[in-house]
Amino acid sequence: KQEVTQIPAALSVPEGENLVLNCSFTDSAIYNLQWFRQDPGKGLTSLLLIQSSQREQTSGRLNASLDKSSGRSTLYIAASQPGDSATYLCAVRPGTGRRALTFGSGTRLQVQP
Amino acid sequence: GAVVSQHPSRVICKSGTSVKIECRSLDFQATTMFWYRQFPKQSLMLMATSNEGSKATYEQGVEKDKFLINHASLTLSTLTVTSAHPEDSSFYICSARSLDSYEQYFGPGTRLTVT
Repeated sequence: KQEVTQIPAALSVPEGENLVLNCSFTDSAIYNLQWFRQDPGKGLTSLLLIQSSQREQTSGRLNASLDKSSGRSTLYIAASQPGDSATYLCAVRPGTGRRALTFGSGTRLQVQP
Repeated sequence: GAVVSQHPSRVICKSGTSVKIECRSLDFQATTMFWYRQFPKQSLMLMATSNEGSKATYEQGVEKDKFLINHASLTLSTLTVTSAHPEDSSFYICSARSLDSYEQYFGPGTRLTVT
């Protein structure tokens, strides 16, 4: 059974810092990996999706990398802003089976002004 | 991008009653829909997967007689929480995917509170 782990569970940084969120998964046979943002009491906002054949994806200040063989992904946030404060979720879609996304436990990010 | 809506966004009900949550794909045909549950400060846990016109497949530990899922059309799935109890209070999120899509698109969620 696929397990997704995110480290750290919580992170507090001053505004302007560059930061890295980590995601690891136990079964490397994935179809794709996706990073989401969730604000308190709200639904999910998709940030980046990386196909299993890709190494990274970029969108603005966000960069996500994928090392499928080692079961790891990182989300890099450059020049963090208070508006980046949210919970960041990593999710993987398996290469076989029902193909529902399996989520990690999330990293709660607080960017202090 | 593809849009998924959920209704209601919030619902409060009394213990013992049933509640229905609707999930709609607004601009695409969702051949597969997923229902997730999220407890406070926890991640999303998959409850069930449904394909249009067939019975839902439930994850281990999810009571199919308590959480009734109907995927009657390519744009609508419903989750009915029967005989709700306070421990069913949670954030329920649906997700939909078309046959040829790489992505799952998520609804905004429904906050259920059972008193």
